[in-house]
Amino acid sequence: DTGVSQDPRHKITKRGQNVTFRCDPISEHNRLYWYRQTLGQGPEFLTYFQNEAQLEKSRLLSDRFSAERPKGSFSTLEIQRTEQGDSAMYLCASSLVAGALYEQYFGPGTRLTVT
Amino acid sequence: RKEVEQDPGPFNVPEGATVAFNCTYSNSASQSFFWYRQDCRKEPKLLMSVYSSGNEDGRFTAQLNRASQYISLLIRDSKLSDSATYLCVVDLRTDKLIFGTGTRLQVFP
Repeated sequence: DTGVSQDPRHKITKRGQNVTFRCDPISEHNRLYWYRQTLGQGPEFLTYFQNEAQLEKSRLLSDRFSAERPKGSFSTLEIQRTEQGDSAMYLCASSLVAGALYEQYFGPGTRLTVT
Repeated sequence: RKEVEQDPGPFNVPEGATVAFNCTYSNSASQSFFWYRQDCRKEPKLLMSVYSSGNEDGRFTAQLNRASQYISLLIRDSKLSDSATYLCVVDLRTDKLIFGTGTRLQVFP
């Protein structure tokens, strides 16, 4: 499968625990994005990387959230001291920046439930 | 005002019908436009990019009206498999996609 992959697909955790998600983008893509989606809403942008550089972070990304892309390939998103409001689908997308139009392709997401 | 607004639906149509969705966006600086399709509890999948001149892909036609700041998607000859949520998406060239809340389509036999 040459698409975007995410791991785990589901995560149930207790409030206050830390969780980490992984995303592997399409191999030739240089940009990687994280979004969050709650029920009945469209995905909301969290942050993105070009290669290993984190270029923008949304104000949705509180100081409990951190994302890395250490070698410009896979990325991790960590949430510390989880809260019930963090329950959502966390989506990763990647794109290849080339030309005027670049399209983002999404992975299957990690569904987080905080109890 | 939301940056991207869509009628949430649901649109319930019989197989073979033609259905149209509209979407409006608030920021005139928006540069790129897309329609994504999302099945229940799945990830969004890119349906089509929307070009200024309009574009067609099989049964799907997308139009962009920059002056009125709206985007449309027309689906002809609806199939049962078209049942999904259709997300209108804009990109301000800030490298982050801004999604509408989606329009739900249900095609019935």
